[in-house]
Amino acid sequence: EVQLVESGGGLVQPGGSLRLSCAASGFTFSSYWMSWVRQAPGKGLEWVANIKQDGSEKYYVDSVKGRFTISRDNAKNSLYLQMNSLRAEDTAVYYCARRAFGVVVYFDYWGQGTLVTVSS
Amino acid sequence: QTVVTQEPSFSVSPGGTVTLTCGLSSGSVSTSYYPSWYQQTPGQAPRTLIYSTNTRSSGVPDRFSGSILGNKAALTITGAQADDESDYYCVLYMGSGISVFGGGTQLTVL
Repeated sequence: EVQLVESGGGLVQPGGSLRLSCAASGFTFSSYWMSWVRQAPGKGLEWVANIKQDGSEKYYVDSVKGRFTISRDNAKNSLYLQMNSLRAEDTAVYYCARRAFGVVVYFDYWGQGTLVTVSS
Repeated sequence: QTVVTQEPSFSVSPGGTVTLTCGLSSGSVSTSYYPSWYQQTPGQAPRTLIYSTNTRSSGVPDRFSGSILGNKAALTITGAQADDESDYYCVLYMGSGISVFGGGTQLTVL
């Protein structure tokens, strides 16, 4: 059974940093693109970042470029999101999502999310 | 900046049929955008319904179907049930590793 379990969320002050983790199990982690998707309170879903299987390609939504870094450790079956210079508008539930294998691009499995609150 | 558009809200009667759409602020949606649809109830993670325009994800009832209607992607629910009351999001793949979510449609079944 595919499982994605996020951790690392919490309360952080504006300008602070936080590192999210996603522990993957039930599939060959190193064979899949992985993504972070977030949802601000009462708002819609927003794709944040993608990372290729070997970490050689990374893509970000414009609003987090230069502040967030996606990474992975295939030996540990783990995905990460390093978030620096956090702003109030980064407050959201952050979901780890697996991008389906192959040419067709979509998210086929989701974690339950971890809440990040940026506030003084 | 590309904006993916969805109806903010929609209402359907139990047993009725509803079609939600997913468009672009500029241009037409085609299969090359790999439209996908997700269902989300409050406090829960999204659930994948449809991918590659019209392929149902495993376990999704056949009352959910996807298509291209005119210049938009569409999600049709035929024979709506009370537990279909959810938020529905479409996603379009823009290339270069970038996916964009629509704003979501809040569906009410009453």
